[in-house]
Amino acid sequence: DAKTTQPTSMDCAEGRAANLPCNHSTISGNEYVYWYRQIHSQGPQYIIHGLKNNETNEMASLIITEDRKSSTLILPHATLRDTAVYYCIVRVAETSGSRLTFGEGTQLTVNP
Amino acid sequence: DAGVIQSPRHEVTEMGQEVTLRCKPISGHDYLFWYRQTMMRGLELLIYFNNNVPIDDSGMPEDRFSAKMPNASFSTLKIQPSEPRDSAVYFCASSLRGFRFNEQYFGPGTRLTVT
Repeated sequence: DAKTTQPTSMDCAEGRAANLPCNHSTISGNEYVYWYRQIHSQGPQYIIHGLKNNETNEMASLIITEDRKSSTLILPHATLRDTAVYYCIVRVAETSGSRLTFGEGTQLTVNP
Repeated sequence: DAGVIQSPRHEVTEMGQEVTLRCKPISGHDYLFWYRQTMMRGLELLIYFNNNVPIDDSGMPEDRFSAKMPNASFSTLKIQPSEPRDSAVYFCASSLRGFRFNEQYFGPGTRLTVT
């Protein structure tokens, strides 16, 4: 799986948009960009994923650059409950019996 | 729905003891997954079931690990005998349709410490 680079931590004011960047310059053509988050003492929670087009769901938007070497996760109106570690992962979409390696991720803190 | 339920939330045991972790998947989900998370190795898939049948156990580290799913609402992961290197957070996840990562719902995990 391609390696990803994320900032260690970010802060955001409640109600404002949180923009979390991720670099994945070695991504290959069949690899997707996945975003997960892990709130303290809870299991990983899927947020969104995409291949090359921008994606939006009820939780977030994913913006992928044209060269696919980086992406940004956008939480449009951050709340205190969005405080978590956010992981950007690049991998083939469906693989059985494999390791899902989370890097160090970005600790997002939403402040009141 | 209460989501995926795991017990215990924390387990501390001595090397050589048997450890049993329990999981109740979301009602109606046909797939159940057991994962292990450590800082060094990230999140590893150990085994998964479909309709109570083990499909892929290639991630199970060794014979000390075993998993069962006697019915659609209950699964266990057993480690016998336990070793300090088994210390990790063990997650159970379930999904309605299949293996896709984006369709798996994770439980809160069991933090296992083997001394």
